[in-house]
Amino acid sequence: KNEVEQSPQNLTAQEGEFITINCSYSVGISALHWLQQHPGGGIVSLFMLSSGKKKHGRLIATINIQEKHSSLHITASHPRDSAVYICAVMNYGGSQGNLIFGKGTKLSVKP
Amino acid sequence: GAGVSQSPRYKVAKRGQDVALRCDPISGHVSLFWYQQALGQGPEFLTYFQNEAQLDKSGLPSDRFFAERPEGSVSTLKIQRTQQEDSAVYLCASSLDRVDEQYFGPGTRLTVT
Repeated sequence: KNEVEQSPQNLTAQEGEFITINCSYSVGISALHWLQQHPGGGIVSLFMLSSGKKKHGRLIATINIQEKHSSLHITASHPRDSAVYICAVMNYGGSQGNLIFGKGTKLSVKP
Repeated sequence: GAGVSQSPRYKVAKRGQDVALRCDPISGHVSLFWYQQALGQGPEFLTYFQNEAQLDKSGLPSDRFFAERPEGSVSTLKIQRTQQEDSAVYLCASSLDRVDEQYFGPGTRLTVT
């Protein structure tokens, strides 16, 4: 079983829809990242959070430490949001700082 | 300011060749990470540097993989005698400190034929 599981693997939405991507993890963490990867490979960090909720524009990330679960929400989705969204947890303990990544959720937003 | 840069962006190597991949981290970032991302998969940790010290190389898949950061800035990931299974995107990330937010480079896509 992977230490970081994301769902869904693939997601197709119509422009304007509210989108939720989920991430569950099984290890102790000090922080969780949500990352965006566009075709061509470049990765951009969207959020780094260790508790509660963060918001940047149309993006909202939440984390529940007790349930070991995080969600990324996109409000009023737009075709430019089409990308792979990756959840990554920062290991706690000896390998602190090393990120353990989920496999990503491929989002396609249709106009 | 300048972000993390990597070169080359694309590399095609014949099986058995040696390759060297370069990472220029953000100036002043103490921590540097290398990750390997196979097609359709999430990245996986390879190795970690704090300044010039390689503190964790637990993710290197074989002794054909070698990384260095001799002056605590630029880092090079070297793969000797490349194999087809080494084909992947190699990502470099840097951060102010080990537990701070990591900033990623664009990656080097390595194809071994």
